[in-house]
Amino acid sequence: KAGVTQTPRYLIKTRGQQVTLSCSPISGHRSVSWYQQTPGQGLQFLFEYFSETQRNKGNFPGRFSGRQFSNSRSEMNVSTLELGDSALYLCASSSNQGGAGRAFFGQGTRLTVV
Amino acid sequence: ILNVEQSPQSLHVQEGDSTNFTCSFPSSNFYALHWYRWETAKSPEALFVMTLNGDEKKKGRISATLNTKEGYSYLYIKGSQPEDSATYLCASPNNNAGNMLTFGGGTRLMVKP
Repeated sequence: KAGVTQTPRYLIKTRGQQVTLSCSPISGHRSVSWYQQTPGQGLQFLFEYFSETQRNKGNFPGRFSGRQFSNSRSEMNVSTLELGDSALYLCASSSNQGGAGRAFFGQGTRLTVV
Repeated sequence: ILNVEQSPQSLHVQEGDSTNFTCSFPSSNFYALHWYRWETAKSPEALFVMTLNGDEKKKGRISATLNTKEGYSYLYIKGSQPEDSATYLCASPNNNAGNMLTFGGGTRLMVKP
């Protein structure tokens, strides 16, 4: 079974630009969650999509948005990039709806904003 | 937003030592407690998901216990090996209506040969 695939692995963007990150979950998983990790911070939850609907949302500004397609692939978009958005962005897929299913993580996208 | 805390932040042990870390979480509205291992340059990998008070899980030399009434979980590693060097994360779901996990800050374990 193929794992969670995130593309691209690395990105360098300029302040003010926007960026789109992609995540393909494990086949059959309908839940995709996104997390941000910055230096000195733990993993911070961004949002979760399930069956093309945003089900949970973390405390991030509206510049962070996402969507999920009918094949469960998900994209995350960050508009008007700021230096502080430089981080590792991880997505995780899960087959379980109730929080008791383990999350399977991708290798992440390392975003650098200059 | 849940408050999930881990201690210690980092730990250096010698190969062969046994060690343990702590994860504390709110005891009210408990749904589950996850443990993940995150090795450098790899993805976080699930070790255990625990749901019942008193639960004990084991995977090789690694085991975990859960106390939902007092809001803590312990992760034990017996006879640490250099390949156990990683950051160990615990996480708890905010609700039972999805997979929104609140993670602790992690315990970074370094095992010296």
